[in-house]
Amino acid sequence: SAVISQKPSRDICQRGTSLTIQCQVDSQVTMMFWYRQQPGQSLTLIATANQGSEATYESGFVIDKFPISRPNLTFSTLTVSNMSPEDSSIYLCSAGREGKANSYNEQFFGPGTRLTVL
Amino acid sequence: QKEVEQDPGPLSVPEGAIVSLNCTYSNSAFQYFMWYRQYSRKGPELLMYTYSSGNKEDGRFTAQVDKSSKYISLFIRDSQPSDSATYLCAMSDKAAGNKLTFGGGTRVLVKP
Repeated sequence: SAVISQKPSRDICQRGTSLTIQCQVDSQVTMMFWYRQQPGQSLTLIATANQGSEATYESGFVIDKFPISRPNLTFSTLTVSNMSPEDSSIYLCSAGREGKANSYNEQFFGPGTRLTVL
Repeated sequence: QKEVEQDPGPLSVPEGAIVSLNCTYSNSAFQYFMWYRQYSRKGPELLMYTYSSGNKEDGRFTAQVDKSSKYISLFIRDSQPSDSATYLCAMSDKAAGNKLTFGGGTRVLVKP
């Protein structure tokens, strides 16, 4: 298994500012992902954080709005840029290890960062 | 239409009852089917996963997958108040790089 921590756990920010969320895993992992969970809704994948290269973004999410870094196998950051109230959400980091081909690779989730934009 | 549909609930049951949860999906490429439990203000934690069709049992939990109907279920026997949480189904297609597609979640309340 993997234990994942996130900082900050919550924040209240002003419109137009940016917030960087940190994700730390207690062991080396091959896969790291960032999800958004809007109030009362399910998780939506924002991007896959790739170590040493640019993140892979899902449809509807762009690098200018959600820049992601992954400098090593245990750490990643997500920045929410030029925030608006619509960005108020819970942001979750997940991680897992690539296993054998055609085998299941469990993903572990962090506790989330609760962001409120005023 | 969402790729994965899940009744949002809430589902309220008395302690000791069987909780029945389900999801339907449209993408026939999904191969792995997961159930996550999420307590309030916490991240999701994996309960069970199933590969392709069939049943899987783990203690009080049973997961079923019917790929022909694109329908998955989770049953919780002898439900406890500590089972009160939101249950999320998730699916993945290995070819899509381990990305998870989640259902909307069902909120479950087990009353003592």
